[in-house]
Amino acid sequence: GNSVTQMEGPVTLSEEAFLTINCTYTATGYPSLFWYVQYPGEGLQLLLKATKADDKGSNKGFEATYRKETTSFHLEKGSVQVSDSAVYFCALSLNTGTASKLTFGTGTRLQVTL
Amino acid sequence: NAGVTQTPKFQVLKTGQSMTLQCAQDMNHEYMSWYRQDPGMGLRLIHYSVGAGITDQGEVPNGYNVSRSTTEDFPLRLLSAAPSQTSVYFCASSYFPGGGRGYTFGSGTRLTVV
Repeated sequence: GNSVTQMEGPVTLSEEAFLTINCTYTATGYPSLFWYVQYPGEGLQLLLKATKADDKGSNKGFEATYRKETTSFHLEKGSVQVSDSAVYFCALSLNTGTASKLTFGTGTRLQVTL
Repeated sequence: NAGVTQTPKFQVLKTGQSMTLQCAQDMNHEYMSWYRQDPGMGLRLIHYSVGAGITDQGEVPNGYNVSRSTTEDFPLRLLSAAPSQTSVYFCASSYFPGGGRGYTFGSGTRLTVV
């Protein structure tokens, strides 16, 4: 079956540090890949996405590249801010012809301190 | 504001009680789904719908019912609440097929069953 594996958290960084959150996937076929962010007390928001191999998704300084050869979609940001503190979810979706369902990783909590 | 609206935001139930979690979207999305979020387990799909009159089971459907009489609404019914159903519930919607465009999530319903 399809699955997403994320690094466990929490990840604690100082402001302006470099961020990497690892994500690997297993899927039959060619999935679309997503990063969602959940701020405290809120629902999930789409952060970025990539729909085919070698695509790079980017938003708000975050980037992730769809690597088919390593089945990975690692999230990076060059300089984190306190406001980036949230839980980050990696997810995949396969268009199966009748439905497209999201499969999520377990989430990685990021804490950024001054 | 356009988006996915969930009600209520918080609910406490006694074991054995029934209730309906409401979800409505105004984006004319064909695809709607319900997830539950539990610590260390990410989000798991309960039920989904690819259009009015069409529903199907997800990963953890037991104890829940859904119906889709209109494109806009997708209520989730708990038939006889159990403590194991204590969770945060999220409704999400997307275009069909929605895999490449991401999903829009509601802000969640936090349910406690005592």
